[in-house]
Amino acid sequence: GDSVTQMEGPVTLSEEAFLTINCTYTATGYPSLFWYVQYPGEGLQLLLKATKADDKGSNKGFEATYRKETTSFHLEKGSVQVSDSAVYFCALSGGTYKYIFGTGTRLKVLA
Amino acid sequence: DGGITQSPKYLFRKEGQNVTLSCEQNLNHDAMYWYRQDPGQGLRLIYYSQIVNDFQKGDIAEGYSVSREKKESFPLTVTSAQKNPTAFYLCASSIVSSGDTTYEQYFGPGTRLTVT
Repeated sequence: GDSVTQMEGPVTLSEEAFLTINCTYTATGYPSLFWYVQYPGEGLQLLLKATKADDKGSNKGFEATYRKETTSFHLEKGSVQVSDSAVYFCALSGGTYKYIFGTGTRLKVLA
Repeated sequence: DGGITQSPKYLFRKEGQNVTLSCEQNLNHDAMYWYRQDPGQGLRLIYYSQIVNDFQKGDIAEGYSVSREKKESFPLTVTSAQKNPTAFYLCASSIVSSGDTTYEQYFGPGTRLTVT
């Protein structure tokens, strides 16, 4: 079945460092891909999405490109801030009710 | 502002008691979902509904029940049959995906249930 694999956390970075969180997926067909962010004690918020191969989703300085050839959707940000500290979830959906989430990657940014 | 509300934010119950978690949305979405989140794990689907008066079991429905009498509301009951009910529960909604179009889910703030 479909699945999403994220890099294990936690990821600890200094402020202004470059961020990459890896996400790879297994799916039949051409799913849509999402990154969600969860701050402590809150629900998930959509960060960005991409619906077809080579699409780049971007929001608040975060970017991810839908790479069909490597089945990846890595999240990047050029310069992280303390306020970016959160848990990040990669997810996919193939056009049905089913959304598959990764296990989440915790990011901690130090001032 | 449109969104999803869940109440209460924290809920404490004694073992053996049923408890109902509230979820309301004003996004005019047809689809609604309940997920369970445990530490270090992704989200696991409990139930989903794509239309009023209809709902389907997800991956971990045992010990839970839902109703969908109104488009805006999708309450979840955690019954005494649920073996390990202490968890963070998230409600979500979306436009129903169809064909080649998949829509993102919108999440509520969650309810943390503790059963002792």
